[in-house]
This record gives sequence, C-alpha cells and structure tokens, in this order.
Amino acid sequence: EVQLLESGGGLVQPGGSLRLSCAASGFIFTDYAMSWVRQVPGKGLEWVSAISGGGGSTYYADSVQGRFIVSKDNSKNTLYLQMNNVRAEDTALYYCAKSPYEFWSGNYFDPWGQGTLVTVSS
Amino acid sequence: QSALTQPASVSGSPGQSITISCTGTSSDVGAYNHISWYQQHPGKAPKLMIYEVSNRPSGVSNRFSGSKSGNTASLTISGLQAEDEADYYCSSSTSSRTLRFGGGTKVTVL
Repeated sequence: EVQLLESGGGLVQPGGSLRLSCAASGFIFTDYAMSWVRQVPGKGLEWVSAISGGGGSTYYADSVQGRFIVSKDNSKNTLYLQMNNVRAEDTALYYCAKSPYEFWSGNYFDPWGQGTLVTVSS
Repeated sequence: QSALTQPASVSGSPGQSITISCTGTSSDVGAYNHISWYQQHPGKAPKLMIYEVSNRPSGVSNRFSGSKSGNTASLTISGLQAEDEADYYCSSSTSSRTLRFGGGTKVTVL
C-alpha cells in the first residue's frame, strides 16, 4: 500500500524559513514524480511544486518561484519542500502527492498524504 | 495563475444526475488530456476520481464519469447518493508545465 506522511509544519514568522518532509513507502520512490499542493483552510487547492523521480528536474508555481525549493532524497524515500522568505499568504495545509510517471507532465495525483499545516504569523 | 472556472455549488436529489463544469483556456484544458477530478470530504485529503479526462481509478464507482469538449471539461455523477456530498476539484496541466486547479464545487445532496 502506498503511504505518504508529511511532517515539519508549524508556526513561522514572516520572512522566516521552514522545511517540510514527506516520507513515502509502498512504491519505488525513484520511479515517480512527486508534488506539493497546498490548501488554505476552507479554500481551494493550489499546486506548488513538482520534482521528477530522479530529482533532476523541478517545477514551481509563480507564487513560490525563487522562494521555495523542492528536493528528494531517494535513499531515504523522502520528499522535501524548503520554504524560504515565507509570507502570510503561504499559510496553508501542505499535501504531498504522488504522480503516475517518472517525469512531470502536469498529470494526476494518487494518492495524497494527510497534510501538514504551516502558519505564517508574527 | 488564475484557477480554472467551476460553479461554486451544484445540488441534486438522491438518484438524480448532476454535472460539474470546469472551464479553462486553449493553453490548459483545451490543449491537453491531463484533466483530473478530485473529491474532498471535510477534513480529508483529496481523492482521485477521474484521470486523463475520462478514466476511473480502480475502486471508484462507475457512477462517476468525465468528458471534455474544447476548453471545458465535465464531471457527471449519476445516481446521486448521500456519500457523494463533498467538494470536487478539477485540474489540468498547462503549456508552462505547471498544473492548475479549479476553484472547487460544493456538491449538496438534497
């Protein structure tokens, strides 16, 4: 069974940094692209970033380009999102999600983790 | 990057059919077949219901179906059941290799 477990969320001040993790199990981690998707409580979904299975290609939404960095450690089966220079509008529940192919092509997500909450506030 | 356009809410009685639209542009919905639909119950993670326009994952009821015409994709739920009450989101890949979600539609079973 594929499982994704996010961690690392919490309270961070504007301008600060935070690193989210997503521990994966139940599949060959290097064979699949992964993404981060966020959701402000009570609002809609927003795709944040994606990374290819091997980790060599990364993709970002305009809203986080230049501030967030996605990476994966295939030896630890873990996906990361380094969040730098965070803003109040980055406050959201952050999900990691598995794509069906090794290379990112804006395809679908299945499954999703349960999310980790990030709150940006002073 | 603005969201794809979905109706804010759709309702129907048990047993009825409803359709949720998802309108984009020729740079996303109209250009690719990477159209997906997700169901989200309160406090839960989204669940994939339809992928690549009209394909159902294993375990998803055949009451759910998807289609696309031009820049608009659609999700139809037939034989509406109480358990279908949830938020539904569409998504599409884009020409800039990003992904765009719809704003979400709240389905209410009357």
